[in-house]
Amino acid sequence: AQSVAQPEDQVNVAEGNPLTVKCTYSVSGNPYLFWYVQYPNRGLQFLLKYITGDNLVKGSYGFEAEFNKSQTSFHLKKPSALVSDSALYFCAVRERENQGGKLIFGQGTELSVKP
Amino acid sequence: DVKVTQSSRYLVKRTGEKVFLECVQDMDHENMFWYRQDPGLGLRLIYFSYDVKMKEKGDIPEGYSVSREKKERFSLILESASTNQTSMYLCASVTGYGYTFGSGTRLTVV
Repeated sequence: AQSVAQPEDQVNVAEGNPLTVKCTYSVSGNPYLFWYVQYPNRGLQFLLKYITGDNLVKGSYGFEAEFNKSQTSFHLKKPSALVSDSALYFCAVRERENQGGKLIFGQGTELSVKP
Repeated sequence: DVKVTQSSRYLVKRTGEKVFLECVQDMDHENMFWYRQDPGLGLRLIYFSYDVKMKEKGDIPEGYSVSREKKERFSLILESASTNQTSMYLCASVTGYGYTFGSGTRLTVV
């Protein structure tokens, strides 16, 4: 069965430091991978996706993620964190052959960036 | 941009009530989804629909049903609300690789 794991419930970083939010996945076949962000009392906002091609994907607000097929990982990164990046982050996967585009989400990681 | 509108941001209902959560999208997308979000569990798929009058169960359909009479509207129905259905409910509309989520409905069942 497909699954997504975000091993850290919370990540704390200081403003200006690099940040990493981890994600690993399990699917049969090749995946489509996504990162979403959720600010308090809001819906999910799209950050970036990996479909095919270059393993390093750049997205919104300076975020990027690297697809690593051998480690089945898709970690979210940013070189220099901002206080405004504090939010809840979700990794999601969809099987390429999955009709209709069901997304399977990880548990979410709360990112806290302190001044 | 695609817009997905959920009719209520906050709802408080009593145990046993029949509850309707509405979701409307404005881009003629065929695929729509209902998820519930709970702390530590992420988003879990309740039901989805590929087209009008079509529906498929997701991972946690128990206690829920859906209705899709028109392509733009996908309704989630709690037949008899229970306290364990207190949650944040998110609707999504999909085309290709693009998923657009509504702002969510926070439902409290008392």
